Amino acid sequence: ETGVTQTPRHLVMGMTNKKSLKCEQHLGHNAMYWYKQSAKKPLELMFVYNFKEQTENNSVPSRFSPECPNSSHLFLHLHTLQPEDSALYLCASSPDRGQKGTEAFFGQGTRLTVV
Amino acid sequence: EDQVTQSPEALRLQEGESSSLNCSYTVSGLRGLFWYRQDPGKGPEFLFTLYSAGEEKEKERLKATLTKKESFLHITAPKPEDSATYLCAGSGGYNKLIFGAGTRLAVHP
Repeated sequence: ETGVTQTPRHLVMGMTNKKSLKCEQHLGHNAMYWYKQSAKKPLELMFVYNFKEQTENNSVPSRFSPECPNSSHLFLHLHTLQPEDSALYLCASSPDRGQKGTEAFFGQGTRLTVV
Repeated sequence: EDQVTQSPEALRLQEGESSSLNCSYTVSGLRGLFWYRQDPGKGPEFLFTLYSAGEEKEKERLKATLTKKESFLHITAPKPEDSATYLCAGSGGYNKLIFGAGTRLAVHP
C-alpha cells in the first residue's frame, strides 16, 4: 500500500449515531490533517497534528473529536451530528520541513451523509 | 485575514484551446503556493509547489507561475482528460494550507 488511505469511503449516519473515520498514511510523514469539503466551498481545515500532537483546531464543534495515536494513523470520531455536517471529509499528510510550507497528500475522502 | 481567490469559477475550453487559471492570494508570510487537481468524488492530487516570485514549474501541458500577488496555471493545448477542478492553496502558517474554491475546467473534443 502507498499514499493515504481513508475508510470508509461512504458513510450514512443518523443524528444520534456515533461513528469514526479512519485515516492511515504510508509516506513516513509527521503531520496529518482533517479537512472538510462542502459543495462549492473551499476546503476547510479542521485539525492539524504534528508528531502526534494537535497543533491546530480551527474552531471545530465538539461533536467532531480527533485522535492521533501515532504519526501514521488519524481518526475522526463523530457524534450527534447535524445534517449540515454532510460533506466530503479528507485526510492528508505532509512531511515536516520546519518553516517552509510543504505540500499535503490527500486520501480519497469519506463521503458523509447525516440523515 | 489570509485569503485565496480563484478565477474563473468555471471554464469551458475546446480541445487544443490554451488558457490560464488565476489564483490571487493575500497570505501573510507566504511559505509556499500549491496547485492541486481534483476529480469528482476523489481527493485532491498534488501538482506543483512554488516558493518564490518568478518561479515556474511545468508538467506535461501544465505550467504554474508565481508573482508576489498571484499565481497562474497555464494549460497548453488541453485534452478532455485535463477536465477537473483545479485548486490553489497558500501556506500561511506552520503546516497550514488555505485553499481557494477552485476552478472547474471542462475540455470538450
